[in-house]
Amino acid sequence: DAGITQSPRHKVTETGTPVTLRCHQTENHRYMYWYRQDPGHGLRLIHYSYGVKDTDKGEVSDGYSVSRSKTEDFLLTLESATSSQTSVYFCAISAGGREVNEQFFGPGTRLTVL
Amino acid sequence: QKEVEQNSGPLSVPEGAIASLNCTYSDRVSQSFFWYRQYSGKSPELIMSIYSNGDKEDGRFTAQLNKASQYVSLLIRDSQPSDSATYLCAVRASGNQFYFGTGTSLTVIP
Repeated sequence: DAGITQSPRHKVTETGTPVTLRCHQTENHRYMYWYRQDPGHGLRLIHYSYGVKDTDKGEVSDGYSVSRSKTEDFLLTLESATSSQTSVYFCAISAGGREVNEQFFGPGTRLTVL
Repeated sequence: QKEVEQNSGPLSVPEGAIASLNCTYSDRVSQSFFWYRQYSGKSPELIMSIYSNGDKEDGRFTAQLNKASQYVSLLIRDSQPSDSATYLCAVRASGNQFYFGTGTSLTVIP
């Protein structure tokens, strides 16, 4: 298994509260990603990072921010959680490069916003 | 928006049969293609990657890629009940971004 951990694995919070999800990798991969997965929508990219302090938006970035201060850690923050952000969140990593550039997923975080 | 379309299923096959999963993509410059298996409540697991036109075989799995037709497929031979899962097709686009289909649910009936 790729060395990816996510914390917390489950969280229940209330509307309007800030939430931070953490992704940690031991593979020293350059790229890290945050996705959300909802029924009928599949996996949708929220934000990704291509290096320390280098991040960019995905297709569903509104209401989310990210930070990457170390190669191994990528944080996803919901500044003020809403019920529409109830979802399963997956972190993924990829080495990048022109040839082998497979993407591997962490175990996921199930977030419920009441 | 890079689109990845899969036959949504659900797909049911008897044990021992061949399961065929299909995927089309819209971005002609995409060069890397992947199949993931996802069990209910679990994270996606990479099972096949393919980069060149033609077939790639790994055990009971065969991925087929046709870039001219923008089509990639996954064949599962001798299907087992343990193959019952949702299969996700993914395409790597520029900037090392990956785009996913919504998945095909496969049930293998004993």
